[in-house]
Amino acid sequence: SYELTQPPSVSVSPGQTASITCSGDKLGDKFACWYQQKPGQSPVLVIYQDSKRPSGIPERFSGSNSGNTATLTISGTQAMDEADYYCQAWDSSTYVFGPGTKVTVL
Amino acid sequence: EVQLVESGGGLVQPGGSLRLSCAASGFTFSSYSINWVRQAPGKGLEWVSYISSSSSTIYYADSVKGRFTISRDNAKNSLYLQMNSLRAEDTAVYYCARGYCGGGNCYSDYWGQGTLVTVSS
Repeated sequence: SYELTQPPSVSVSPGQTASITCSGDKLGDKFACWYQQKPGQSPVLVIYQDSKRPSGIPERFSGSNSGNTATLTISGTQAMDEADYYCQAWDSSTYVFGPGTKVTVL
Repeated sequence: EVQLVESGGGLVQPGGSLRLSCAASGFTFSSYSINWVRQAPGKGLEWVSYISSSSSTIYYADSVKGRFTISRDNAKNSLYLQMNSLRAEDTAVYYCARGYCGGGNCYSDYWGQGTLVTVSS
């Protein structure tokens, strides 16, 4: 079965850039999306189709996908961006989630 | 406003059954696929099942195949998940999520608040 890997945690200072990676075999040949989940809340889609932002998602969120790695970038990170982030792709009739990355804004 | 409201969760003994419901509003339910996704306490997201807009295509995760059944009633704007032979490892918050899936580009753009299922004796 297809697997996605993410770093367990990423720390970033306010105003700096956070990069969260998601790796999978030939992931660049698939579409990746990203969800943000804050404690006690439901997930929110922040990036779909590799790099598109849904309505209402701030421009500081951006995405890319090439080779074996998709990347979620948060530019000018704010305290409100502290959350768990999950990547997701679709493979062989299944939705595959990464294990999640906890972003801490120090 | 798009809304998805899950219900039906609760405490059930191992081997028991439970039926979850998801009531949708604020969009044309019959035009969208829907997913069930679960999250065990303190753990990550796990996709459970997918149903297309017309129910013609259904997928399950291997972990629930043969035990769970997804269905929908477009006339009632409702989605269901029949869960049988429940195990302790099925304990999780279950979310319904509106989906888009085309050409391998598959994601969920709106999520409900979730309903907690606890399997324990």
